[in-house]
Amino acid sequence: EPEVTQTPSHQVTQMGQEVILRCVPISNHLYFYWYRQILGQKVEFLVSFYNNEISEKSEIFDDQFSVERPDGSNFTLKIRSTKLEDSAMYFCASSLTQNNSPLHFGNGTRLTVT
Amino acid sequence: GDSVTQMEGPVTLSEEAFLTINCTYTATGYPSLFWYVQYPGEGLQLLLKATKADDKGSNKGFEATYRKETTSFHLEKGSVQVSDSAVYFCALINTGNQFYFGTGTSLTVIP
Repeated sequence: EPEVTQTPSHQVTQMGQEVILRCVPISNHLYFYWYRQILGQKVEFLVSFYNNEISEKSEIFDDQFSVERPDGSNFTLKIRSTKLEDSAMYFCASSLTQNNSPLHFGNGTRLTVT
Repeated sequence: GDSVTQMEGPVTLSEEAFLTINCTYTATGYPSLFWYVQYPGEGLQLLLKATKADDKGSNKGFEATYRKETTSFHLEKGSVQVSDSAVYFCALINTGNQFYFGTGTSLTVIP
């Protein structure tokens, strides 16, 4: 069964550094998402992406964050200047259609900001 | 706004015990409801779903029924196994394409 793959599985970075989290969504999917889960808390929506542009974003997704689909397969999340509170598990997801279509998640990237 | 509330964990059960994890939701209109499962070290996997009132989603012995009158979608399994140990998330999607997740309920099944 096709999978969403994320790299790296764990990233450690110093406060103020830029990080790029990478995702390869399922190949025929059209909608792409980033979610995050701070340890012990809810899975929170960050951003959705369709047709090479952001279709929706949460208030968490401020100017420090950006997303890109640089080629036909990768979908990246960039955090420009990391803060301690950015430490979380970041999940990429994709779906075939928009309404009521299940999300298929990757295994996540654990980001630790020191 | 839309939201999901699920029972707090952690839940610890003996093998073959009956499992219920409660989930209630708040949403306008007619959301679709989901249960996702997260095994240790892995991502979220879809366990089951229901798209309209009175639908029952089922998979791997787990069941949940979409109850509009009580705005609930409780997860049940008649006989849990050690391999069911995981974190379970209730979620909904309404109009638009944003999922709303509960906080997750950690289940540990002991032999």
